[in-house]
Amino acid sequence: GENVEQHPSTLSVQEGDSAVIKCTYSDSASNYFPWYKQELGKGPQLIIDIRSNVGEKKDQRIAVTLNKTAKHFSLHITETQPEDSAVYFCAAPLPGGAQTGANNLFFGTGTRLTVIP
Amino acid sequence: KAGVTQTPRYLIKTRGQQVTLSCSPISGHRSVSWYQQTPGQGLQFLFEYFSETQRNKGNFPGRFSGRQFSNSRSEMNVSTLELGDSALYLCASSLEGLTGELFFGEGSRLTVL
Repeated sequence: GENVEQHPSTLSVQEGDSAVIKCTYSDSASNYFPWYKQELGKGPQLIIDIRSNVGEKKDQRIAVTLNKTAKHFSLHITETQPEDSAVYFCAAPLPGGAQTGANNLFFGTGTRLTVIP
Repeated sequence: KAGVTQTPRYLIKTRGQQVTLSCSPISGHRSVSWYQQTPGQGLQFLFEYFSETQRNKGNFPGRFSGRQFSNSRSEMNVSTLELGDSALYLCASSLEGLTGELFFGEGSRLTVL
């Protein structure tokens, strides 16, 4: 079955610096890789996603890169701000999801990002 | 447009009891998924319902069950509660359940004493 490993578990950066979170996955059939942000007391919220037919996607200060050969994908946040402080989760479709299209996800264990003002 | 609504937000139960959690998806969304979030195990998929049918199921014991109504609202039930069932239970809805954005509610925090 799918297994998603996420590193690091905690990350502290100075405001304005960049933050990078990395994930590896095991199911070569996986074709969809979202990143979710969870703020305290709230449910996770999608911030960016990438499909397997592209290697990189960018949305303002956030970018995701995908290396299908190595089966890893990364989240890059540039010019970090205090409001970026949260827990970030990567995810990949559960087995069968890639075939059925169902978006049931296997989540990484999360990275707690702290942006120091 | 209202978001995903989960009730109750907090509840405390004792071992052996049962609990029912409710989720109202975003209007028009037909897929509802449930996840268990704990500090040790992270976010784990419980099950997904689409058009009142359980379409996918995670690796949880049979004590965990759910259902979906014709208006897409969903409930999950945990019977014979154990201490380890203490967790944040998150519901997420999506249009058709195809690969795409999941919209999460704020969760129901269950404490089992």
